[in-house]
Amino acid sequence: NAGVTQTPKFQVLKTGQSMTLQCAQDMNHNSMYWYRQDPGMGLRLIYYSASEGTTDKGEVPNGYNVSRLNKREFSLRLESAAPSQTSVYFCASRKPGTGNEKLFFGSGTQLSVL
Amino acid sequence: GESVGLHLPTLSVQEGDNSIINCAYSNSASDYFIWYKQESGKGPQFIIDIRSNMDKRQGQRVTVLLNKTVKHLSLQIAATQPGDSAVYFCAENNYGQNFVFGPGTRLSVLP
Repeated sequence: NAGVTQTPKFQVLKTGQSMTLQCAQDMNHNSMYWYRQDPGMGLRLIYYSASEGTTDKGEVPNGYNVSRLNKREFSLRLESAAPSQTSVYFCASRKPGTGNEKLFFGSGTQLSVL
Repeated sequence: GESVGLHLPTLSVQEGDNSIINCAYSNSASDYFIWYKQESGKGPQFIIDIRSNMDKRQGQRVTVLLNKTVKHLSLQIAATQPGDSAVYFCAENNYGQNFVFGPGTRLSVLP
């Protein structure tokens, strides 16, 4: 049982380049999330998808777009990368309303924008 | 000026001692709280959770205490082991989709 799988694990971009971070979960969870983690700070929500077919902005959505491709997959796209987007990105999923509300996280993507 | 968030609070404990990690949460209406452990280069890993209708919950070697009066959450780790060395952070949820995460505390276990 893989849980939440993110690719790639590491990426280096030049300013202005674009890329897509991929995330897939095999736990049949309805909700999926993208967070960023910066040194010494708490995780901050970029975008989330409460269910297949819906997406909503989180705390720090500027410069990002997302796609909920199906129930399993939720991708994050940087259209024109900026140095301020250097961070570690985590995808997470959960199944609200089940009494087991916790977030399950992937192993992260470390992104550097030069 | 320097941002407080750049430097994580650090707790150093002797192997075998008990550890207590504290967290102040922000929203008095939050109803669900989680503690996560994050090892270097890895994603956050669930440790234990608690709902607002409880004051205490115990797991294997871990206990979470919730004090709603002062909006305080603590994680107690019994008989701390070297494998417990990590960053620990709390998260709160208010009946919604988003969780608010604390910056974390770095636990170092001394031999």
